[in-house]
Amino acid sequence: DVKVTQSSRYLVKRTGEKVFLECVQDMDHENMFWYRQDPGLGLRLIYFSYDVKMKEKGDIPEGYSVSREKKERFSLILESASTNQTSMYLCASSEEDQPQHFGDGTRLSIL
Amino acid sequence: AQRVTQPEKLLSVFKGAPVELKCNYSYSGSPELFWYVQYSRQRLQLLLRHISRESIKGFTADLNKGETSFHLKKPFAQEEDSAMYYCALGGSQGNLIFGKGTKLSVKP
Repeated sequence: DVKVTQSSRYLVKRTGEKVFLECVQDMDHENMFWYRQDPGLGLRLIYFSYDVKMKEKGDIPEGYSVSREKKERFSLILESASTNQTSMYLCASSEEDQPQHFGDGTRLSIL
Repeated sequence: AQRVTQPEKLLSVFKGAPVELKCNYSYSGSPELFWYVQYSRQRLQLLLRHISRESIKGFTADLNKGETSFHLKKPFAQEEDSAMYYCALGGSQGNLIFGKGTKLSVKP
């Protein structure tokens, strides 16, 4: 069974901090994704990656960056956290043309 | 533009009643459609994929290209079906485009 692990379930940070959200998958998937999930807005794609060191902007990349140095790990970085980035963040991975598998999510609060 | 519309934010039914969660999409090519479900305090998980044409937990969904719809149906709702349901469209870059979700509440 595919396992997508997000390093934290809950995280509280302060405005202006640099925040790292980590995601690891154990199935050697090529594709990895970061979404944010907000009530009434559904899931919105922030960034995704097809391979190591490759990244593509999603629908809402502003204020975020990503890093994929190893195939199994995809990190989301909030360069300078702001209160409007308080949200649930979901990581997913997939093999080509296969459905995405999601992690448990990280609920991030920016104070 | 690629878009998924779920018109109902909340759907409330009684146990044993039929359920239909609506999903409409906008896509110029040949669409690939999914239903994902998120039970309380659990991760988002795949429920159905249109190309597999299978029934999962009694749910079915048929792709209607003429109406650009992929509605999710179940003839007899159960309390354990209460969850958040998301319709998703496979994008041209291998990503998923999600609707805003419908919260299904099945009352005893």
